[in-house]
Amino acid sequence: TQLLEQSPQFLSIQEGENLTVYCNSSSVFSSLQWYRQEPGEGPVLLVTVVTGGEVKKLKRLTFQFGDARKDSSLHITAAQPGDTGLYLCAGPPDGSGNTGKLIFGQGTTLQVKP
Amino acid sequence: DTEVTQTPKHLVMGMTNKKSLKCEQHMGHRAMYWYKQKAKKPPELMFVYSYEKLSINESVPSRFSPECPNSSLLNLHLHALQPEDSALYLCASSHPDTRSNYGYTFGSGTRLTVV
Repeated sequence: TQLLEQSPQFLSIQEGENLTVYCNSSSVFSSLQWYRQEPGEGPVLLVTVVTGGEVKKLKRLTFQFGDARKDSSLHITAAQPGDTGLYLCAGPPDGSGNTGKLIFGQGTTLQVKP
Repeated sequence: DTEVTQTPKHLVMGMTNKKSLKCEQHMGHRAMYWYKQKAKKPPELMFVYSYEKLSINESVPSRFSPECPNSSLLNLHLHALQPEDSALYLCASSHPDTRSNYGYTFGSGTRLTVV
């Protein structure tokens, strides 16, 4: 069974600090996605990474896909209270073909205090 | 239109009630999903519809019954639920092939409480 393990599970930091969230697997993924979910809302797609070694930037967020396509990281620079939420990585498991099925990591709850 | 709309936003139902959750999208996505999410946990897949046909049922109890009337609509019929079924129910849509890398678009969810 393919698993995505996220760390840390919980993170509480002050505004202005930097942080990194990790998403690791022992399996190769064809792509990985990152979502952010605010309380009472559905997850919102932030980015999809496809190519091993790929780096994508979205304002203060930097996403990296490992060379072997088994891991990914999300780095936030100068965190703001608006970054508070549950961060989820997700990817299509082997054999999911054209079903659209995704498996999710356990999530990282981030709290940024003003 | 880049939204997935779910109704109702909140629902309280008794264990003997029958209710339905509704989901609508107009993005031309041909895959639609139901997920269940408990507090501070990741979403758990329940059902996948691909081209309006049920393609995945993740061993969900029969008290949950999905329906896909057309390519834009997805329903989840609820009957004889248990208090442990209380959760946030999320609908999502996407292109059927995740290799297309467009990702899911989620609705805001229905917060269900079973009393």
